[in-house]
Amino acid sequence: GENVEQHPSTLSVQEGDSAVIKCTYSDSASNYFPWYKQELGKGPQLIIDIRSNVGEKKDQRIAVTLNKTAKHFSLHITETQPEDSAVYFCAASYQAGTALIFGKGTTLSVSS
Amino acid sequence: SAVISQKPSRDICQRGTSLTIQCQVDSQVTMMFWYRQQPGQSLTLIATANQGSEATYESGFVIDKFPISRPNLTFSTLTVSNMSPEDSSIYLCSADPGQGATRGLDTQYFGPGTRLTVL
Repeated sequence: GENVEQHPSTLSVQEGDSAVIKCTYSDSASNYFPWYKQELGKGPQLIIDIRSNVGEKKDQRIAVTLNKTAKHFSLHITETQPEDSAVYFCAASYQAGTALIFGKGTTLSVSS
Repeated sequence: SAVISQKPSRDICQRGTSLTIQCQVDSQVTMMFWYRQQPGQSLTLIATANQGSEATYESGFVIDKFPISRPNLTFSTLTVSNMSPEDSSIYLCSADPGQGATRGLDTQYFGPGTRLTVL
């Protein structure tokens, strides 16, 4: 079955710096890769996703890149702000709407 | 998109008892999912619940311990049976709002979770 590895487990940056979180997956049949942000005491919230027919997607300060050959995808957050501090999870699935396999999460801390 | 609510938001239960968690979606959805998130850990899929059929359980999760109901297209329940302290976790439901031709075009939305503590 699918396995998703996520690195790093913790990441500390200064406000205004960029943050990058990387994930690798094992199943070449996976075609859908969402990223979720989870704040303390809340459920995961989708922040961006990418499908296998796209190599990069951007939404304001957030971007995701996908390399299907190498089976890895990355989340890039630019101009980080303290409110970006949270746990970020990557996930993979056969297609959107099917069960997600999650990475172990990255705790991002942005200090001002 | 979909807005998902869960009840209760948290509970403290005694060993050996059972708790039923409710999940309500604001639109009709084909597929709903139940995940468990142990403290400080990632999300692990418990089962997939489709309306009109039996839930499909992942390895390590069984129906006797986690019975699921899916009576209609907007609602599902997960029961945690005969609880032990090891069941202390956050239980999350999610749904994919896509149906028919739009299935696979949207994404999974999560509820706020139910924080369960078993003493």
